[in-house]
Amino acid sequence: DTAVSQTPKYLVTQMGNDKSIKCEQNLGHDTMYWYKQDSKKFLKIMFSYNNKELIINETVPNRFSPKSPDKAHLNLHINSLELGDSAVYFCASSRAYNEQFFGPGTRLTVL
Amino acid sequence: QQQVKQSPQSLIVQKGGISIINCAYENTAFDYFPWYQQFPGKGPALLIAIRPDVSEKKEGRFTISFNKSAKQFSLHIMDSQPGDSATYFCAASLPPGGTSYGKLTFGQGTILTVHP
Repeated sequence: DTAVSQTPKYLVTQMGNDKSIKCEQNLGHDTMYWYKQDSKKFLKIMFSYNNKELIINETVPNRFSPKSPDKAHLNLHINSLELGDSAVYFCASSRAYNEQFFGPGTRLTVL
Repeated sequence: QQQVKQSPQSLIVQKGGISIINCAYENTAFDYFPWYQQFPGKGPALLIAIRPDVSEKKEGRFTISFNKSAKQFSLHIMDSQPGDSATYFCAASLPPGGTSYGKLTFGQGTILTVHP
């Protein structure tokens, strides 16, 4: 009965690699988000999709590309990983535009 | 103008005491102010939220106080328990519409420790 799920939970990779993080929600929400939490625990939005349409695209390097195949899924693909990309990435979803439900996070470590 | 400033950075309270975390914002267009609770290794979870048309909202031991003129809001945790030990984030968002749809701007977080 998981509401917002992410895979994988941990991701360790080398600089320069390409990796993807998957997110799925079973809440019937129409809006999904990606947030980045840095080492100081600061949370910052990266992207949001509403009904598969990109709504928010913060100042994020274009190495990051979100993809929403349907309303229940929002994946994050990262090309040419850099050391500074190491962080915890959270997926979230909402029906009402404000009440966001977060997934458990994916801890990305770039070596 | 999009910032939300949160204080203190960390807080230690004895069991049964009151925990108070404060946030201040600049953008008067913000119209939704939630508080999130995050335990280690978990995602943030919505705790309680308020809109600027009310000055206070209470849910169990958790209360939000909102001061529109001062552009400040705070979280009060009454009868604090060791299980409340977590990181707390305030946030704010703009009304729907445009490219800010659903965008939550978070404060820096407060690490709360409740001693038994």
